[in-house]
Amino acid sequence: KAGVTQTPRYLIKTRGQQVTLSCSPISGHRSVSWYQQTPGQGLQFLFEYFSETQRNKGNFPGRFSGRQFSNSRSEMNVSTLELGDSALYLCASSGVPPGTGTYEQYFGPGTRLTVT
Amino acid sequence: LAKTTQPISMDSYEGQEVNITCSHNNIATNDYITWYQQFPSQGPRFIIQGYKTKVTNEVASLFIPADRKSSTLSLPRVSLSDTAVYYCLVARPNSGYALNFGKGTSLLVTP
Repeated sequence: KAGVTQTPRYLIKTRGQQVTLSCSPISGHRSVSWYQQTPGQGLQFLFEYFSETQRNKGNFPGRFSGRQFSNSRSEMNVSTLELGDSALYLCASSGVPPGTGTYEQYFGPGTRLTVT
Repeated sequence: LAKTTQPISMDSYEGQEVNITCSHNNIATNDYITWYQQFPSQGPRFIIQGYKTKVTNEVASLFIPADRKSSTLSLPRVSLSDTAVYYCLVARPNSGYALNFGKGTSLLVTP
């Protein structure tokens, strides 16, 4: 089975621009979560989707948004980019419905976003 | 999201047993304790999960005392390839997969 894939792997943007990152979960997985990883803040939760519905959202400004499609693929968008948005953005999927007692997620390799 | 406290870093020699302790004082009755491992330039990988007492798998053991306010991840006979960041998380059923990874414990294994 193919793992979680994320595109693009690397991205360079300028302040004020917007960016869209894509995530394809493992086949059959319906839960997708997004995380931001920076040296200063560590690995922080952005949002979680299950069956096209956003179930949870982390403490990030409204510039960060996401969506999930009917095939479980997910995108996240960051508008009006700031220098502090430079980070590794990780996507994770799970085949078990959330809240059932197991919390095993499978992570992709991430998208490295650099904002200049 | 439930918060955890764990050491920022630890050092060990090859072949030793490593125990990483995590504090989670505000754990709720239905919460689970979960540990992940992350190698450089990779996404985290699930290691083990437990609710109480002891859980063991082919990679590690997880010890959880009766009050569940802390947990200890035990890695037997570590090798250089166990050098990684280890995250302790408290997963709350009604929070789904909204997991608070924090900064984890950076484990360095040397010869």
